Amino acid sequence: EAQVTQNPRYLITVTGKKLTVTCSQNMNHEYMSWYRQDPGLGLRQIYYSMNVEVTDKGDVPEGYKVSRKEKRNFPLILESPSPNQTSLYFCASSPLGQGTETQYFGPGTRLLVL
Amino acid sequence: GNSVTQMEGPVTLSEEAFLTINCTYTATGYPSLFWYVQYPGEGLQLLLKATKADDKGSNKGFEATYRKETTSFHLEKGSVQVSDSAVYFCALMTSYTGNQFYFGTGTSLTVIP
Repeated sequence: EAQVTQNPRYLITVTGKKLTVTCSQNMNHEYMSWYRQDPGLGLRQIYYSMNVEVTDKGDVPEGYKVSRKEKRNFPLILESPSPNQTSLYFCASSPLGQGTETQYFGPGTRLLVL
Repeated sequence: GNSVTQMEGPVTLSEEAFLTINCTYTATGYPSLFWYVQYPGEGLQLLLKATKADDKGSNKGFEATYRKETTSFHLEKGSVQVSDSAVYFCALMTSYTGNQFYFGTGTSLTVIP
């Protein structure tokens, strides 16, 4: 089954404790992306990657890191989480084309930083 | 810069009512436009898309037309069902600024029997 998987689905942590949220897709998509969803703000893009070893900042990259060492995986790293990073996070992937791509979203990771 | 503005919600309609959710955009270059839908507890799914001016995207009875002159991409459905209750997001992507996606704030729709 074609899908985007994220782990963990729920996470409670404390300020400053490094964490990684994994994202994996089995559709051989070039494009992968991370978003955060907050009430009243919709989805905001954190980082995206157009292929292996190619990453770019989205609208809200501060406090986050990403890496794309393999085509299928795109982990999101919070080196020193803070309470303002409490949010619902989505990973997405799509084939790369002429701007018509459908993004396939993972189920989301709900993060609470105390 | 690039941005998407959606009508504020929440929207509550009776079954079989007509639905319009307004979406306007600001973009550099010639964006592709999308409507995504998020059902409770799930990730987003593409509902429909349009890639150039005057294109009409359609799916599951929903329609939206890419209007360059008014920079709009309003979502419409002639007769909503209870199963259409969800949050709807308008979005754009422009390769002019590097394949970055921009989403609106979302509009929550509840359809009552």
